[in-house]
Amino acid sequence: SQTIHQWPATLVQPVGSPLSLECTVEGTSNPNLYWYRQAAGRGLQLLFYSVGIGQISSEVPQNLSASRPQDRQFILSSKKLLLSDSGFYLCAWRSGVRNTEAFFGQGTRLTVV
Amino acid sequence: DAKTTQPTSMDCAEGRAANLPCNHSTISGNEYVYWYRQIHSQGPQYIIHGLKNNETNEMASLIITEDRKSSTLILPHATLRDTAVYYCIVRVDREGSQGNLIFGKGTKLSVKP
Repeated sequence: SQTIHQWPATLVQPVGSPLSLECTVEGTSNPNLYWYRQAAGRGLQLLFYSVGIGQISSEVPQNLSASRPQDRQFILSSKKLLLSDSGFYLCAWRSGVRNTEAFFGQGTRLTVV
Repeated sequence: DAKTTQPTSMDCAEGRAANLPCNHSTISGNEYVYWYRQIHSQGPQYIIHGLKNNETNEMASLIITEDRKSSTLILPHATLRDTAVYYCIVRVDREGSQGNLIFGKGTKLSVKP
């Protein structure tokens, strides 16, 4: 069966520090991968998606970047965190088959101080 | 993707059926109705999806009206652990589509003892 792993679960980082969040998927190949952010009391906002290795699309301009160095690995990064980067970050995957469901990781709660 | 309208919040007594409505009056013929839920501080969880026919799985039932302009998610015997925000999403994966899910504000379901 397929599983998705996301870490760390919580993170407190000072303003100006770098960020690296990792997401891996097991039990499937060539998944579509997504990074979402949920600010406190707000809805889920799609940040990035990827349909293959090295292929990244950004949905909103921001201080973050994403990379997909391997088929089932998706990384969210920042060179210098801002206070506004605080939030709940979620990784998700879907198969390439149309009209199928997405599966989410358990999320990383990032607090920038 | 068609827009959906859901009540902001609902209460349900434990052990009773929870019926969560969703209006999607602009749905097109090939768009699916998806339901996800998000328990506090966790990633969204897929529940069920359907196109025209009613669907049932181990978690819930999905009733789609004949004109497909609205649907109802039914949790047959709600438990305290079903307290969550429930999202109704309408979408179709067109050729070249990346399968992105766009979340609205959902319905906050509170199951009370």
